[in-house]
Amino acid sequence: GNSVTQMEGPVTLSEEAFLTINCTYTATGYPSLFWYVQYPGEGLQLLLKATKADDKGSNKGFEATYRKETTSFHLEKGSVQVSDSAVYFCALGTGSARQLTFGSGTQLTVLP
Amino acid sequence: GAGVSQSPRYKVAKRGQDVALRCDPISGHVSLFWYQQALGQGPEFLTYFQNEAQLDKSGLPSDRFFAERPEGSVSTLKIQRTQQEDSAVYLCASSLAGGQGEKLFFGSGTQLSVL
Repeated sequence: GNSVTQMEGPVTLSEEAFLTINCTYTATGYPSLFWYVQYPGEGLQLLLKATKADDKGSNKGFEATYRKETTSFHLEKGSVQVSDSAVYFCALGTGSARQLTFGSGTQLTVLP
Repeated sequence: GAGVSQSPRYKVAKRGQDVALRCDPISGHVSLFWYQQALGQGPEFLTYFQNEAQLDKSGLPSDRFFAERPEGSVSTLKIQRTQQEDSAVYLCASSLAGGQGEKLFFGSGTQLSVL
């Protein structure tokens, strides 16, 4: 079956630090990969996605590259801001099943 | 509406009570999903609708859980004879068509506490 393993948190960084949140997956077929973010008091929202191997998703300074050979989709940002404090979820979806499979989430706190 | 709307925002139930959770998706969205999110965990799939048809209910944990979307818009998730392990945040999401790689729009969820 499908599964997503995500770097455990919480992660605490200073403003302008470099961020990496690791995500690896197991899937049948050729999944699409996603990062969703949940800001305090808000619903989950899509941050970025990649639908095939070697694609790079990017948004708001965040990037993640779909690596089929290592089954990974690590999230990176070169310089985090206080406003990036949130919970980040890695997820995958496959063509035969409409639902997404989520990782357990990583809490990020950025200090000024 | 502008986004996916869920009600109530919070629900406290005594063990054994029945509860009904409502989801109002984005207008025109064909696909609707329900997820269950336990504290400190990622969302887990419960069920999926395409219009009024429930195409996948493989994630429903027991026959106490029932979902419907009779007119292809608003959906209700019903939990009968609630138990403490049902305590979680229930998330609803919708998408335009539901294809692989398509963006899901999530509501803020209903936090259910069973005492």
